[in-house]
Amino acid sequence: QSVLTQPPSASGTPGQRVTISCSGSSSNIRSNTVGWYQQLPGTAPKLLIYSNNQRPSGVPDRFSGSKSGTSASLAISGLQSEDEADYYCAAWDDSLNGRVFGGGTKLTVL
Amino acid sequence: EVQLVESGGGLVQPGGSLKLSCAASGFTFSGSAMHWVRQASGKGLEWVGRIRSKANSYATAYTASVKGRFTISRDDSKNTAYLQMNSLKTEDTAVYYCTTYDYGVDSPFDYWGQGILVTVSS
Repeated sequence: QSVLTQPPSASGTPGQRVTISCSGSSSNIRSNTVGWYQQLPGTAPKLLIYSNNQRPSGVPDRFSGSKSGTSASLAISGLQSEDEADYYCAAWDDSLNGRVFGGGTKLTVL
Repeated sequence: EVQLVESGGGLVQPGGSLKLSCAASGFTFSGSAMHWVRQASGKGLEWVGRIRSKANSYATAYTASVKGRFTISRDDSKNTAYLQMNSLKTEDTAVYYCTTYDYGVDSPFDYWGQGILVTVSS
């Protein structure tokens, strides 16, 4: 059971906008910033969003993040076939004194 | 170019030990906290633990399931981090990633190694 809760799956058609939620608690998401990763099969995770809503250089602006209270969201607009991947949220947990991840959401582009 | 290269993985019997290494280059290793994250086949990411820099007293932290069995260390002179794994269990079977990140700086970074497979089986 992951500390952060994500839906196991999401889907959309090309061009659509999809959102992936991440639910936590006061000791992680409320207290600390949230990051989002994209993982393609057989590869290491790649950072998409850090500090709740910041994009590293090179990440398309189709990806955006937000946070409110104990929840965070990743939005992907203009969905493309290459966006099909697993997505993970992450945050530091002050009670556990460790980094926690969501269970991951498998995004399917129909 | 930043590189994190893990080595030392392989097959080990339950109860055995294994030591992973993570050789770093292309960034200021000595000033960076180093983390280990693992991923069992078909499962999600699990943070294993981290070691902070000398400036932060090389403080370590671990997830509950590995406390007392795993030890993270570093050698700043070799730009290398280590994960010593003892009393291994079948549930420790996973791909282990070495990673580092810092978002609170002028040039935020987040780097991962390619991962190395550890299989615990008789």
